[in-house]
Formats: sequence, C-alpha cells, structure tokens
Amino acid sequence: AQSVTQPDIHITVSEGASLELRCNYSYGATPYLFWYVQSPGQGLQLLLKYFSGDTLVQGIKGFEAEFKRSQSSFNLRKPSVHWSDAAEYFCAVGVWGSSASKIIFGSGTRLSIRP
Amino acid sequence: GAVVSQHPSRVICKSGTSVKIECRSLDFQATTMFWYRQFPKQSLMLMATSNEGSKATYEQGVEKDKFLINHASLTLSTLTVTSAHPEDSSFYICSARATGYNEQFFGPGTRLTVL
Repeated sequence: AQSVTQPDIHITVSEGASLELRCNYSYGATPYLFWYVQSPGQGLQLLLKYFSGDTLVQGIKGFEAEFKRSQSSFNLRKPSVHWSDAAEYFCAVGVWGSSASKIIFGSGTRLSIRP
Repeated sequence: GAVVSQHPSRVICKSGTSVKIECRSLDFQATTMFWYRQFPKQSLMLMATSNEGSKATYEQGVEKDKFLINHASLTLSTLTVTSAHPEDSSFYICSARATGYNEQFFGPGTRLTVL
C-alpha cells in the first residue's frame, strides 16, 4: 500500500539556520511527489513537485527537495529559514491510475522558528 | 495559475442540521474533484473522489449517506454534511484536477463547527 512517512512531528530551528524536513514514501511505481505548506487555518500551498527528470527540484520561497529513489526519500531543504517559514509542512505522493487517482499525505511536520 | 475556491470559508450550525460546502474551479475544467477532512493538528484525510457526471467514490470508513457529494458540472462540486453532529466539526478542503494533469489544486478550506 502507498504511504508517506514524515518522522519529525515538530522541528524548531533558529532564524537564518538551514532546514531539512524528512519524507519517506512507499509506492511500487515511479512516484509523483509533492511538498505543501499550510499556515494555521489556511489551505495548502504547493512548494514544489517531482514528476520526472532532474532529481533536485527547485520550488518557491527558496525551498528545494531531492528525490532519492534508493532511499525512497524526498527531503525538503532550505539554506536559510525566515520567521515567515513557520508553518505545517506536508509531504505527499500522487497515486495515478486509470481507475483512481489520489494524493496521499504524510502526517506533517510543524516548523517553529526561534528568533 | 489554477484557482479553486470554497464557500463558505466558515460555517457554524446546530446539531442535526445539514450544511452544504461548495468547491469551484475558477479558471479550468475539473473532471475530478477531491474532498478532504482535516482535524486539528492532523493531516489531510481523503474522504471521497468525484468525477463529473458520475457517483463519488468514498474512502473506507466514510459514510456516503452522511457526506453527500455532487459533481454536476466541470467547475462545481458540493459536499453536504447531513444531520451534522459535533464530531463532524473539522476543516474541509477540496481539490480539483484537470484532465491529463497529474496535479491537484487545493481550495482554501471550510471550517465547520457544529454546536
């Protein structure tokens, strides 16, 4: 069965420090992978996505993620975080098929920024 | 970019009443729409998938008679929570996918509070 694991429930980093949020997926075929960000009480904003090609994906707000098939991982990184990056981050895998398609979300990682 | 709207953004109702939430794709035709539920500090859980003109497909454990989904046009899907109870209080998010695209576009969400 398809699944997404985000092992870190809550991470706190200092403003200006680097960030890495971990994501591991389980999917039998080539995955479509996403990272979304959600501010409190808000909907989801797509940060970046991987469908194929270059395994290092650049997204909005200075975020990037690297797809590593051998590790079944799609970790999100940012070299220097800003206080406005404090939010909930969701990794997701897209499951596409002729009869059904859906996005399966991880449990999320809450990011706090230390001044 | 593709925009999805939801209405209302917040709704408070009494226990036993029904509530309808609308999801609209504003600048594209959405052959498939998805409804998610998100409890506080939790991830998004897919409730159902609807294709325009056909019956919705519900995820395991979701009561189809309680959560009525209609996808009557290529730009509109509605979720009706029938006989709502306090345990139905949640954040409901819809998303929409255009034919041939491997990406969903998310609405801003609807906060439902049942008293």
